[in-house]
Amino acid sequence: DIQLTQSPSFLSASVGDRVTITCRASQGISSNVAWYRQKPGKAPKLLIYAASTLQSGVPSRFSGSGSGTEFTLTISSLQPEDFATYHCQQVNSYPLTFGGGTKVEIK
Amino acid sequence: QVHLVESGGGVVQPGRSLRLSCAASGFTFTDYAMHWVRQAPGKGLEWMAVISYDGSKKYYADSVKGRFTISRDSSKNTLYLQMNSLRAEDTALYYCARDGELGKDGFDIWGQGTLVTVSS
Repeated sequence: DIQLTQSPSFLSASVGDRVTITCRASQGISSNVAWYRQKPGKAPKLLIYAASTLQSGVPSRFSGSGSGTEFTLTISSLQPEDFATYHCQQVNSYPLTFGGGTKVEIK
Repeated sequence: QVHLVESGGGVVQPGRSLRLSCAASGFTFTDYAMHWVRQAPGKGLEWMAVISYDGSKKYYADSVKGRFTISRDSSKNTLYLQMNSLRAEDTALYYCARDGELGKDGFDIWGQGTLVTVSS
């Protein structure tokens, strides 16, 4: 199975900050990575797919990059609604797997 | 409007069974593969199972293989998860999710989840 390691697990930031989250895969997965934001008590929401493609309706402050084994999600200017947990997911092969999550909290 | 609504969760004793349902609306159900994902309290997301758009292919996580069965009824636009031999570690919020149109573009629609608690 493909393991995904997200870092950091937790980060503290302020509104307007630039934030970067990393997801490393245990083996190459091309660009088959998706990113989600999950607010407390809510279902995850798809932000990015194919490593760098913005899902329809998602603000342009979100961007993704990477291929192979290392991927990043960047939020260019953190907004109040972005204080949440972020998950990466590999959709390259079954069983699909998620990273452990990154919780972004207000500094 | 596209919606997924899960139901069927509850409190169940270890070793017993439960069937979850996920009612789909607002899109052509038979065009999409569908997934189940769970989240234990305070934990991350864990993918459980997928069924192809026509029901011909199914894949499972190792943790539930042989105990859980995914199925779908196109006449009712409903996805199911039959859970047998439940264990305490199956306690979680269970989400159904729609596969993206391209097949490797993530899960674009999620339900609100249904809570399963396995406890004696």
